[in-house]
Amino acid sequence: EVQLVESGGGLVQPGGSLRLSCAASGFTFSTYAMYWVRQAPGQGLEYVSAISSNGGSTYYANSVKGRFTISRDNSKNTLNLQMGSLRAEDMAVYYCARDLSCGGTDCYNGFDYWGQGTLVTVSS
Amino acid sequence: QSVLTQPPSVSAAPGQKVTISCSGSSSNIGNYYVSWYQQLPGTAPKLLIYDNNKRPSGIPDRFSGSKSGTSATLGITGLQTGDEADYYCATWDSSLNVVFGGGTKLTVL
Repeated sequence: EVQLVESGGGLVQPGGSLRLSCAASGFTFSTYAMYWVRQAPGQGLEYVSAISSNGGSTYYANSVKGRFTISRDNSKNTLNLQMGSLRAEDMAVYYCARDLSCGGTDCYNGFDYWGQGTLVTVSS
Repeated sequence: QSVLTQPPSVSAAPGQKVTISCSGSSSNIGNYYVSWYQQLPGTAPKLLIYDNNKRPSGIPDRFSGSKSGTSATLGITGLQTGDEADYYCATWDSSLNVVFGGGTKLTVL
């Protein structure tokens, strides 16, 4: 059974940092591109970041570029999102997701598996 | 302001049919496949439709998708109270990222 389990969310002050992780199981992690999608309270979905299956290619939304870093460890089946210079507008539930069949950051077929999400609260 | 435009809300009675529209442009829907997600309250989104009209395993055929030009439509027949949720369309955009619609809240009266 495919499972994605996020962790690392919590309360952080504006300007602070946080590292999210997503533990994957039940599939060959190293063959899939992985993604972070966030949802602010009461709002819609926002595509945040992506990383190719081998980690060689990454993508960041303009809203987080230069502040967030996506990475993966295929030996540990883990996806990470290092978030820095956090702002109030970064407050959201962060989901990790897997694409149906896309292995890179330049395609999209549909996110067939999602984690349960982890809440990031940015507040003083 | 979302790149893809969806109606904020739709409603219909149990057993009836409802459609949810998703409007984009030639930079996204017009040239790429569309997918649809269902998000029940307090849960993660769930893929309902991909490649415009394909259903993942386990998704009932009450859910259907179509695309024409720069617009796409999600159809749900035989509405059930358990279908009450937020629905999102999504597709690839030529600016090299995934774009989502703003979401549509479905109420089953």
